Amino acid sequence: EAGVAQSPRYKIIEKRQSVAFWCNPISGHATLYWYQQILGQGPKLLIQFQNNGVVDDSQLPKDRFSAERLKGVDSTLKIQPAKLEDSAVYLCASSLVGLAGEQFFGPGTRLTVL
Amino acid sequence: QKEVEQNSGPLSVPEGAIASLNCTYSDRGSQSFFWYRQYSGKSPELIMSIYSNGDKEDGRFTAQLNKASQYVSLLIRDSQPSDSATYLCAVNAGANNLFFGTGTRLTVIP
Repeated sequence: EAGVAQSPRYKIIEKRQSVAFWCNPISGHATLYWYQQILGQGPKLLIQFQNNGVVDDSQLPKDRFSAERLKGVDSTLKIQPAKLEDSAVYLCASSLVGLAGEQFFGPGTRLTVL
Repeated sequence: QKEVEQNSGPLSVPEGAIASLNCTYSDRGSQSFFWYRQYSGKSPELIMSIYSNGDKEDGRFTAQLNKASQYVSLLIRDSQPSDSATYLCAVNAGANNLFFGTGTRLTVIP
């Protein structure tokens, strides 16, 4: 069984530029999560989808972050414009519906904003 | 504001010893509790879950839950150098998503 796929693995951009991350969850996992993990901290949930609907985006900085999951499978997370404090690892995870505790994480995208 | 607190460490134990990792949470409505392990530069992976008060054992790992004290712990027996990682406590407070602590970095010294 293939795991959660993410790309790119690394990204370096200048502040005020835009960037997009892509995630493909485990087949059959209807719930998809995007997390931000700053060095030395635990993952912080940005947005949770179930199929193509948003379940929770309360911690997503909506003035600069956006995410979509149009067909209920792949998802993209975008930052526009990026700030220095957005430097972090962006993790995508997926789970079966109702099993939020049993999440499978992708390898993450390490973003550096200069 | 739901909070999950862990001692960030680092916690160092000699090989073969018991490592004890602790976690407290603020939301009394929390229903389920999880421990994730994260190796340096890697993603978190689930190693234990616990839903009711008491102990749950899985191999060298034991999770302990005390809802009255809002306390969760993870014991690792016969610690091995391969156990060196950051251990994240995560809590599901009923919204069907997880709140993670900052993690405790464990180093097992050969």
